Amino acid sequence: AQSVTQLDSHVSVSEGTPVLLRCNYSSSYSPSLFWYVQHPNKGLQLLLKYTSAATLVKGINGFEAEFKKSETSFHLTKPSAHMSDAAEYFCVVSEEAAGNKLTFGGGTRVLVKP
Amino acid sequence: AAGVIQSPRHLIKEKRETATLKCYPIPRHDTVYWYQQGPGQDPQFLISFYEKMQSDKGSIPDRFSAQQFSDYHSELNMSSLELGDSALYFCASSPRQGRAGHEQFFGPGTRLTVL
Repeated sequence: AQSVTQLDSHVSVSEGTPVLLRCNYSSSYSPSLFWYVQHPNKGLQLLLKYTSAATLVKGINGFEAEFKKSETSFHLTKPSAHMSDAAEYFCVVSEEAAGNKLTFGGGTRVLVKP
Repeated sequence: AAGVIQSPRHLIKEKRETATLKCYPIPRHDTVYWYQQGPGQDPQFLISFYEKMQSDKGSIPDRFSAQQFSDYHSELNMSSLELGDSALYFCASSPRQGRAGHEQFFGPGTRLTVL
């Protein structure tokens, strides 16, 4: 069975400072991991994905994430937050053995202060 | 580039009514997934189809049914609507369900409000 835990439900940062969103996963097999972003009243947009290649994954808008199997973590970072980064972020896991359906974490709401 | 299309974008229904949500996947995507996102909740998987056959089932109520048609579009039919069905319903599509790691491309969602 697959599951995802996002360790912070809310994160508040100042514009220009680093952002760290923490995610731990549980998976019976080799998982694929994703980060999606959802702006208010909008759909889900893929930021980046890990699929057993390089453990450091670069995504759009300056985001990156590092897959650490020993820690079962997939934390998302960005060196400098922008006001437009204010949104809800979901860490997501999928397994081929589970039909590739996505299992979402509870989400982290990011607030960016000017 | 073409994206996933969902219709309608907004839908208001009364309790015990029925609703039909439609999803048009990206061209050449043969797999469709449906998710339900309640207010303040994370999306929950409902059901998926691959090549017009149901491939997986999640927490979908028996009052709901879905199918994928020959042109790969999908419809989610919801009957005997309850207040708790009020949510944002997302459709996502991906190519070649059998390959791991394929991202799912999400539509804008249909916001269903049950009064």
